[in-house]
Amino acid sequence: NAGVTQTPKFRVLKTGQSMTLLCAQDMNHEYMYWYRQDPGMGLRLIHYSVGEGTTAKGEVPDGYNVSRLKKQNFLLGLESAAPSQTSVYFCASSPWASGTFNEQFFGPGTRLTVL
Amino acid sequence: AQSVTQLDSQVPVFEEAPVELRCNYSSSVSVYLFWYVQYPNQGLQLLLKYLSGSTLVKGINGFEAEFNKSQTSFHLRKPSVHISDTAEYFCAVSDGNTGFQKLVFGTGTRLLVSP
Repeated sequence: NAGVTQTPKFRVLKTGQSMTLLCAQDMNHEYMYWYRQDPGMGLRLIHYSVGEGTTAKGEVPDGYNVSRLKKQNFLLGLESAAPSQTSVYFCASSPWASGTFNEQFFGPGTRLTVL
Repeated sequence: AQSVTQLDSQVPVFEEAPVELRCNYSSSVSVYLFWYVQYPNQGLQLLLKYLSGSTLVKGINGFEAEFNKSQTSFHLRKPSVHISDTAEYFCAVSDGNTGFQKLVFGTGTRLLVSP
């Protein structure tokens, strides 16, 4: 099993350009998440999904859109990139939780720079 | 909303010395608590978790943490560190009362182990 994979690993964009980050998991997990990690701020949740075809906003959703057309994939889109979106982006997934908490498994991250 | 405070942004320590990384969380009726480790240029990996039961939780790589409800703390300890423990450590909390559980991360503590 590959676990959680993210594509691409690195990307440099100019202000105003658009791009899509792809997250894929092969563990048949129900839940998927997108986080951004900035120095001194830890990880902050951008959007999440509780199942195929459903998405919801997290703590910092502005400037991002997401889609989950297939259970194994969770896409994060930037329609018009801004320098404030320079960050490291992590995708995670976790199985369905019933009365307890199940571990989130993280991908290796995508380092995005917006000039 | 839940919040997590990691009091130390960086902790330098010599190899084979003991270490404690501090974490405090905002109070709630019930919480789930976690420590994650991030090695350089990698994603996050779960070290240990507290869901219920014994307040002393043992994790991977010789780490342990103690849940202290009265002090709302969940400090991470290791009696003897190795060079390979150099990494960033994140404390996280999830509100056990909600149906779908989201993690709130602290800002991280960088552990620097030197010979």
